[in-house]
Amino acid sequence: DGGITQSPKYLFRKEGQNVTLSCEQNLNHDAMYWYRQDPGQGLRLIYYSQIVNDFQKGDIAEGYSVSREKKESFPLTVTSAQKNPTAFYLCASSPLLGTNVLTFGAGSRLTVL
Amino acid sequence: QKEVEQDPGPLSVPEGAIVSLNCTYSNSAFQYFMWYRQYSRKGPELLMYTYSSGNKEDGRFTAQVDKSSKYISLFIRDSQPSDSATYLCALDGGGGADGLTFGKGTHLIIQP
Repeated sequence: DGGITQSPKYLFRKEGQNVTLSCEQNLNHDAMYWYRQDPGQGLRLIYYSQIVNDFQKGDIAEGYSVSREKKESFPLTVTSAQKNPTAFYLCASSPLLGTNVLTFGAGSRLTVL
Repeated sequence: QKEVEQDPGPLSVPEGAIVSLNCTYSNSAFQYFMWYRQYSRKGPELLMYTYSSGNKEDGRFTAQVDKSSKYISLFIRDSQPSDSATYLCALDGGGGADGLTFGKGTHLIIQP
């Protein structure tokens, strides 16, 4: 079945550590996105990418980094510079950047201890 | 004023009731309107997609858009316990997914 796989589902990290969240899609979609979801807030865009080796900052990119070395993969690194990293992280994809219908993964919950 | 307002709830109704979920917005540039359903600890899934003012029906679900009032609604008929989830509205001004604005989501509980 085509879809988006995010791993790990749950992750715990100590303050000061970097952590990388994996996102893999087999939908042959060009565009991929990372969102952050916090209780009582809407989804906020962290980074997005429309083609391999190219990505753009979203609304809340500070403290995060991404790479797009393969069309299928768009990992997100939460760095120690992110002040409030505890959140639910969602990866999504769409066929093209100009389309607005997203397919989401199941999410990764990061907790900083 | 935030661009999209959505009551976070929780909204609790008995099984079989008609549910009305709503979002209001301030930016008249929004042209595309979507509703996503998100079960607990899962990713959102697209439920309804509308472009123009008016109603769109899909089974027990009806999406309504009133651009003049900047108001969108999702109605659920004959609500079921399996409809218990968070419902997110998402609005697009024509710039594509990188320009989507999401509401906070309404947590809906259908009581058996």
